[in-house]
Amino acid sequence: DQQVKQNSPSLSVQEGRISILNCDYTNSMFDYFLWYKKYPAEGPTFLISISSIKDKNEDGRFTVFLNKSAKHLSLHIVPSQPGDSAVYFCAAKDGSNYQLIWGAGTKLIIKP
Amino acid sequence: NAGVTQTPKFRILKIGQSMTLQCTQDMNHNYMYWYRQDPGMGLKLIYYSVGAGITDKGEVPNGYNVSRSTTEDFPLRLELAAPSQTSVYFCASSSQGGAADTQYFGPGTRLTVL
Repeated sequence: DQQVKQNSPSLSVQEGRISILNCDYTNSMFDYFLWYKKYPAEGPTFLISISSIKDKNEDGRFTVFLNKSAKHLSLHIVPSQPGDSAVYFCAAKDGSNYQLIWGAGTKLIIKP
Repeated sequence: NAGVTQTPKFRILKIGQSMTLQCTQDMNHNYMYWYRQDPGMGLKLIYYSVGAGITDKGEVPNGYNVSRSTTEDFPLRLELAAPSQTSVYFCASSSQGGAADTQYFGPGTRLTVL
């Protein structure tokens, strides 16, 4: 069973517009959520995170929103730039466990 | 400033062969991890280590072994390779292992077992 789900395998967005990537989870014990970005032939790199005690975290063009009642989080990128084209992974952990549980990823394509 | 390095980048194995995937980090991190990523799937944790001499199983440890004799190195051993082990393998490290801890990843090793 997938505890972390990213239901959109790919997303295409015009340069300059907003990109919204979604992630759903099933385990109510998760208390920390992270987004990683991955370019081809490279390892994932950390992008932004949010604790379950918050509902929003912002870092420059990137904002993550958490809706605990819906067990849903989203990553907003605005404005979208060509260099944002990559695969974005949502991951979650609970405080008692070292293990990160990963979604399958969403491939974001920014069109010029 | 190398970060996390992995060798080899690519490898093709025959069924039943063995090999070791190498991972080295130069950030003096205590925590190290091995993941595998199958096509269209998220990363799954194979083994992790919280310091030299200490290792533990993750979600998918069967068919693999690890050791951690130094802070820097965390090799992953595949014994009796099987087609189901065809995957991309990522090594990662982090400084403290807590909830807010950021993991730094190597570039990956693409392994094919035929």
